[in-house]
Amino acid sequence: AQSVTQLDSQVPVFEEAPVELRCNYSSSVSVYLFWYVQYPNQGLQLLLKYLSGSTLVKGINGFEAEFNKSQTSFHLRKPSVHISDTAEYFCAVSEHNAGNMLTFGGGTRLMVKP
Amino acid sequence: DAGITQSPRHKVTETGTPVTLRCHQTENHRYMYWYRQDPGHGLRLIHYSYGVKDTDKGEVSDGYSVSRSKTEDFLLTLESATSSQTSVYFCATLGTSGPTDTQYFGPGTRLTVL
Repeated sequence: AQSVTQLDSQVPVFEEAPVELRCNYSSSVSVYLFWYVQYPNQGLQLLLKYLSGSTLVKGINGFEAEFNKSQTSFHLRKPSVHISDTAEYFCAVSEHNAGNMLTFGGGTRLMVKP
Repeated sequence: DAGITQSPRHKVTETGTPVTLRCHQTENHRYMYWYRQDPGHGLRLIHYSYGVKDTDKGEVSDGYSVSRSKTEDFLLTLESATSSQTSVYFCATLGTSGPTDTQYFGPGTRLTVL
């Protein structure tokens, strides 16, 4: 069975600074990888996903993530954050041939300060 | 927004009472899911459905049952609510099981069991 670890439960950062949210996964088979964002009192929204091909994936709102198979990581980055990026971010994996069943990490709360 | 509504949005109930949460979708998606969200655990799958009257258990199914009599509705029932079931519950839908498809999430239901 797969598992997902988000290494930081909270990440405080100042506005316009760069940020990296870390995600590591464990699986015995090939996986698809996802990042979701949850704004306060809302449901989850897909930021980006890695299915195959280029290991650098660009998503919405200026976010990007890089798949590193050897380190089993899928870290999320943004070069310059805004106050509006304050939210909780979830990394998730789905094993190939698993019918799009998602396993989520525990979440990272990004707090952008003025 | 994939046309997913959840009702009620907030509910407070007492231990031992039955509770039913409803998820309604207008996208004619085949797959529907119920998750619970708890701090530090991310989202965990309770039950899912792969068609009308076709359901299966997820990771944390004990104490929950589901029903799907129509494509658009997926009900989650707590037969006898316990305090450990205090959580935020999210419904999600998926059109196909292919990797290029994406789960869409509803706004959530906050359930408090006293």
